[in-house]
Amino acid sequence: QVQLQESGPGLVKPSQTLSLSCSVSGASVNSGYYYWTWIRQPAGKGLEWLGRIYTNGATYYNPSLKSRVTISVDASKNQVSLRLGSVTAADSAVYYCARERVVGPTNFGFDSWGQGSLVTVSS
Amino acid sequence: DIVMSQSPLSLPVTPGEPASISCRSSQSLLHNNGFNYLAWYLQKPGQSPQLLIYLGSTRASGVPARFSGSGSGTDFTLKISRVEAGDVGVYYCMQALLIPRTFGQGTKVEI
Repeated sequence: QVQLQESGPGLVKPSQTLSLSCSVSGASVNSGYYYWTWIRQPAGKGLEWLGRIYTNGATYYNPSLKSRVTISVDASKNQVSLRLGSVTAADSAVYYCARERVVGPTNFGFDSWGQGSLVTVSS
Repeated sequence: DIVMSQSPLSLPVTPGEPASISCRSSQSLLHNNGFNYLAWYLQKPGQSPQLLIYLGSTRASGVPARFSGSGSGTDFTLKISRVEAGDVGVYYCMQALLIPRTFGQGTKVEI
């Protein structure tokens, strides 16, 4: 049973960089067929896909975030990390890491999610 | 980006009765492999979203048979044959055809 656990500061100052980690257990971040993804949800609002990384290191980001977002993998720690720069109050949200299963062209959805990490941007 | 639109945004339900949620995409989600790249998620109160349906109509592991997904192209429906109290929460559709993945606004189901 795969488990994902987000961690990081709950409070970030405006203009600084938000950094979160997602520890994965029960699966390897190096295993094929999975995209490791970050999704966020502002309080009382819907879900926004931020970006993903594959086992080969290939990344895709939401263009809405322009060049502020970076996702990386630390295979030695079996972790996936998110960095979001130049944050504002609009970046306050619960941040989820999730695993998307893809086999060839077939997409099997986000089958595992972390419990979420609340980040507030405030001075 | 593909825009996803759900209706209704709020759905009062009665236990034992059926319920239905609609989802429309701004472009076809039909892949050339014949599958529709549409998924449904349920976010129960205070919890993370959980996968219900993928590829338009395939139930995820452990999802009860009372949940069913249908539709093709740009119009999709999630049906609950007989609502149970534990089905309350916000239901989201999501397109998995293109990057960035995009979600509907969510439909709040409450008893």
